Amino acid sequence: DGGITQSPKYLFRKEGQNVTLSCEQNLNHDAMYWYRQDPGQGLRLIYYSQIVNDFQKGDIAEGYSVSREKKESFPLTVTSAQKNPTAFYLCASADPLAGGGYNEQFFGPGTRLTVL
Amino acid sequence: GQNIDQPTEMTATEGAIVQINCTYQTSGFNGLFWYQQHAGEAPTFLSYNVLDGLEEKGRFSSFLSRSKGYSYLLLKELQMKDSASYLCAANYQAGTALIFGKGTTLSVSS
Repeated sequence: DGGITQSPKYLFRKEGQNVTLSCEQNLNHDAMYWYRQDPGQGLRLIYYSQIVNDFQKGDIAEGYSVSREKKESFPLTVTSAQKNPTAFYLCASADPLAGGGYNEQFFGPGTRLTVL
Repeated sequence: GQNIDQPTEMTATEGAIVQINCTYQTSGFNGLFWYQQHAGEAPTFLSYNVLDGLEEKGRFSSFLSRSKGYSYLLLKELQMKDSASYLCAANYQAGTALIFGKGTTLSVSS
């Protein structure tokens, strides 16, 4: 089955620790994205990557880092510099070459990170 | 910036019809997505409008007016399971991220 996976579903960390969230897709999509969702805030873009070995900051990149060494994988590291890391994190992928500029984003199930 | 505006909350009863509005900036606009998101879950695709007009898909329909920067999602014959957040997202450039509204939380009561 083609899809996008995130692990783990729930993650707990102590304040001051870095933590890496996994995102894998087998949809052969070039573009991948990380969003953060807080209650009442909608989806806010952290980072996105349009191709392997390249990525751009989104609206709230401070305190986060990413890598894109493989097409299938786009891990997100939440560093100790992120002031309020507790949130629901969503990874998505898309095929930017789909006809007519169609840009549907396919979402993973999300990781709920709680920093204690 | 490219602001997307939609109401924060709406309530309705089972069997009713509800319309969720969304406005966006028209410059560089390609198309408009609607997603449904149940609490704690990933958003799921509902519709995509590129051309003006109404597109119907079962109980859900979506409308777009490109000149007015306006879209709505119409939900008919509401069911309890339709209680969710509905996200409006504008597509400005392929490969770049969609611009999401903050979502409209719909509560359906019996």
